[in-house]
Amino acid sequence: DAGVTQSPTHLIKTRGQQVTLRCSPKSGHDTVSWYQQALGQGPQFIFQYYEEEERQRGNFPDRFSGHQFPNYSSELNVNALLLGDSALYLCASSLLGSSYNEQFFGPGTRLTVL
Amino acid sequence: RKEVEQDPGPFNVPEGATVAFNCTYSNSASQSFFWYRQDCRKEPKLLMSVYSSGNEDGRFTAQLNRASQYISLLIRDSKLSDSATYLCVVNADTGNQFYFGTGTSLTVIP
Repeated sequence: DAGVTQSPTHLIKTRGQQVTLRCSPKSGHDTVSWYQQALGQGPQFIFQYYEEEERQRGNFPDRFSGHQFPNYSSELNVNALLLGDSALYLCASSLLGSSYNEQFFGPGTRLTVL
Repeated sequence: RKEVEQDPGPFNVPEGATVAFNCTYSNSASQSFFWYRQDCRKEPKLLMSVYSSGNEDGRFTAQLNRASQYISLLIRDSKLSDSATYLCVVNADTGNQFYFGTGTSLTVIP
């Protein structure tokens, strides 16, 4: 049973560039959530996708956008990168309507903005 | 006020010790509660869901106190392999948005 996968594992960009991160959910899951984790902090919720639509959004600017595909995989796009966007980006999948809504995380993409 | 607050530690305990972590949450309507474990430079992994009546999984016991809005995790007979950061997680009432604490660092010393 494949778990959550993310690509790439590491990425280095410069300020002002754009980046796309990818996530495939755990088999049987239909919901994907994205988180940003800065060093020494807990993950911060960016947004969640279900049925190819953004269902909920955290306190992140419009530079952060996403997409979900019919096969439930998802992308996170960040435009006009800032130094402060350097972080570990985590994708978590879950099954909407499951009894406890447990989320399972992928290994993350470590983004460095220079 | 933060949604979820944890003591960041660090907690340094000898092998075999019992250690407890607490976490408070601000939204009284929160529905689901979890403890995740995160090793250095790795993703968080679900350790336990926390049920209203409390629950136990081997050496780990989780408790929920809705009246005081706190969650606890007790680790008995600590092992070296328990060294990690433990994240308290609360699911807000508005849907599936998870709020994470900053994590509590645990180091088990031989």
